[in-house]
Amino acid sequence: DAKTTQPNSMESNEEEPVHLPCNHSTISGTDYIHWYRQLPSQGPEYVIHGLTSNVNNRMASLAIAEDRKSSTLILHRATLRDAAVYYCILRDGRNDMRFGAGTRLTVKP
Amino acid sequence: GAVVSQHPSRVICKSGTSVKIECRSLDFQATTMFWYRQFPKQSLMLMATSNEGSKATYEQGVEKDKFLINHASLTLSTLTVTSAHPEDSSFYICSAVRTGLETEAFFGQGTRLTVV
Repeated sequence: DAKTTQPNSMESNEEEPVHLPCNHSTISGTDYIHWYRQLPSQGPEYVIHGLTSNVNNRMASLAIAEDRKSSTLILHRATLRDAAVYYCILRDGRNDMRFGAGTRLTVKP
Repeated sequence: GAVVSQHPSRVICKSGTSVKIECRSLDFQATTMFWYRQFPKQSLMLMATSNEGSKATYEQGVEKDKFLINHASLTLSTLTVTSAHPEDSSFYICSAVRTGLETEAFFGQGTRLTVV
């Protein structure tokens, strides 16, 4: 199984950048790196995904290490609404989606 | 972005009865749908993967006769919890994806099931 490792929790101050790390040392060449986040009592929400190159969208940036064994989700200016559990997931050839424990992000005003 | 609608959002049922949860992809065709269960303060646990027109693939430890999954069309999958018991009380979440690993998944808003 391709698996990911994330810190259990992180804190950030409002309007500061946040870097959420994810290790995936057993990633295979065809695995896509996906990030989702979940607010309390809601289904997860897509954030960003990529394969090899860094990616940017309106929500965040994804920085992927050259060896692809780790990645970092970057929120450029954290807001209180960004407080959530962030999940880093590898989508592998079996086309399933398994969640790890994720990182609980707390944003302080 | 694409929308996945899950219904109902909240249901209370008596022990021994069955409950059906619907998951619809509103503006795209979902070749694959996933069903998850989530207990308080825990991560999502994958229960089963269903592909349109074929039988669902259940995760180890998930009883297929208790959690019936039907994916009869490219826009609808249902999860039926049969003979529900209090220990089945949980937050159930569906997800839908288009074909291909490069595509993102879209999630329903979840169903809070309480069995009394």
